[in-house]
Amino acid sequence: QQQVKQSPQSLIVQKGGISIINCAYENTAFDYFPWYQQFPGKGPALLIAIRPDVSEKKEGRFTISFNKSAKQFSLHIMDSQPGDSATYFCAASRGNAGNMLTFGGGTRLMVKP
Amino acid sequence: DTEVTQTPKHLVMGMTNKKSLKCEQHMGHRAMYWYKQKAKKPPELMFVYSYEKLSINESVPSRFSPECPNSSLLNLHLHALQPEDSALYLCASSQGVQPKNIQYFGAGTRLSVL
Repeated sequence: QQQVKQSPQSLIVQKGGISIINCAYENTAFDYFPWYQQFPGKGPALLIAIRPDVSEKKEGRFTISFNKSAKQFSLHIMDSQPGDSATYFCAASRGNAGNMLTFGGGTRLMVKP
Repeated sequence: DTEVTQTPKHLVMGMTNKKSLKCEQHMGHRAMYWYKQKAKKPPELMFVYSYEKLSINESVPSRFSPECPNSSLLNLHLHALQPEDSALYLCASSQGVQPKNIQYFGAGTRLSVL
């Protein structure tokens, strides 16, 4: 059972455009929602994270929007740059589960110059 | 320094071989993790160590044997692997096992089983 569903699987955006990646979860016990960025040949790196008591969090060009009632959250990348081309994973974890991350399926983002 | 170092970067082994993957961190983290990542898929958790004790085993086959000799080092011993075990093996560490603790990942060991 896939507990975190991520869409789209792949995304092509022009330089300067907005990239939007969506995730939906099923388990209401999840209480921490990080996004990871992974470049080819590298391990995932934390990009930004949010807790369910916050509806939006912004760090530079990256914003997470969170809708607790809909059990959905999304990543917006403003002014997308070719250097943002990577695979993005949303994830979720719950406090009583030893920091176990449940990852979404991933989105391969390509930003065209 | 937020570096998790994994060695080797690449490993090719036969199904009868015994090999080990190594992971090291010097951030003082007390939780360490092994993940398996197949191509174009998300990482899948295998094991979690907390304060050098195995706290989570995600029903991983016994041909994978983790070991945490000290708080900075995590090993994954491999024996009698199958070709379907070929994947990128990622190590991660975090301050503790609470969700607010960021997991820092290494670059991984790319394993090929022939």
